[in-house]
Amino acid sequence: GNSVTQMEGPVTLSEEAFLTINCTYTATGYPSLFWYVQYPGEGLQLLLKATKADDKGSNKGFEATYRKETTSFHLEKGSVQVSDSAVYFCALSDRYNQGGKLIFGQGTELSVKP
Amino acid sequence: NAGVTQTPKFQVLKTGQSMTLQCAQDMNHNSMYWYRQDPGMGLRLIYYSASEGTTDKGEVPNGYNVSRLNKREFSLRLESAAPSQTSVYFCASITEYYGYTFGSGTRLTVV
Repeated sequence: GNSVTQMEGPVTLSEEAFLTINCTYTATGYPSLFWYVQYPGEGLQLLLKATKADDKGSNKGFEATYRKETTSFHLEKGSVQVSDSAVYFCALSDRYNQGGKLIFGQGTELSVKP
Repeated sequence: NAGVTQTPKFQVLKTGQSMTLQCAQDMNHNSMYWYRQDPGMGLRLIYYSASEGTTDKGEVPNGYNVSRLNKREFSLRLESAAPSQTSVYFCASITEYYGYTFGSGTRLTVV
C-alpha cells in the first residue's frame, strides 16, 4: 500500500540556517504530495502541495519538488526563522487508488534557536 | 470564520466511559475524516465519510464509531474508552480538489 517516510527529528538549527527535511513515498498510482505544518497547540495547516511530477510547491519561503524518479518530496528553506519552529508532516493522497485519503509520515519536529 | 470546528478541545475520561467528539464544517465539503495523532506515529485515519450518508473504516477503526449526521457534521464516538485511546483527535474535510482543512483538535486523556 501507499506510505510516506520522513527523516526523524528533532531537527535543531540556528536562525538563518538552511533547512532540508527529507520525505520519500511509496505509491502505486499517481499521488498528490503535501507538506503540512503544525505549530504548538494547533491543528495542521497546509504549507504547500504538488499534484504531478516535476511540480514545485512553494509558500512562505519553503519549497518542495515532486521527484517521481526518486519518489521524493524534500522540504527546503534557505534561511529559517525562530517562528518556523513546528512539526512538519509530509503526506500523500492518491485520488484514484485510495479515494483521496491523506496518508501521513510520522512528522519531523523542527526547533530553530536564535 | 469558515473552517472546521471541533468540540470539546480537552476531555478527561475514566476507563469504560463513553463520549462523542463533535465536528462541523461550513465549507460545503463532501468528504470528512477523523484522524488520531500519537507521538512518533504521525496521523492515522480512524474513519472517513466520502459523502453524506456514507462512512468507511480507516487504518485504526477499532473502538470507535462514527455518524455523518448531515453534510456539515461528522461525529466520532467512543463507546467504552480505554487508555490506548489517549490521543489528540483531528477532524478534517476536503473538497474534490484537495482543499484539506483541519480542525484545531481534541486532546483526550483516558485514565
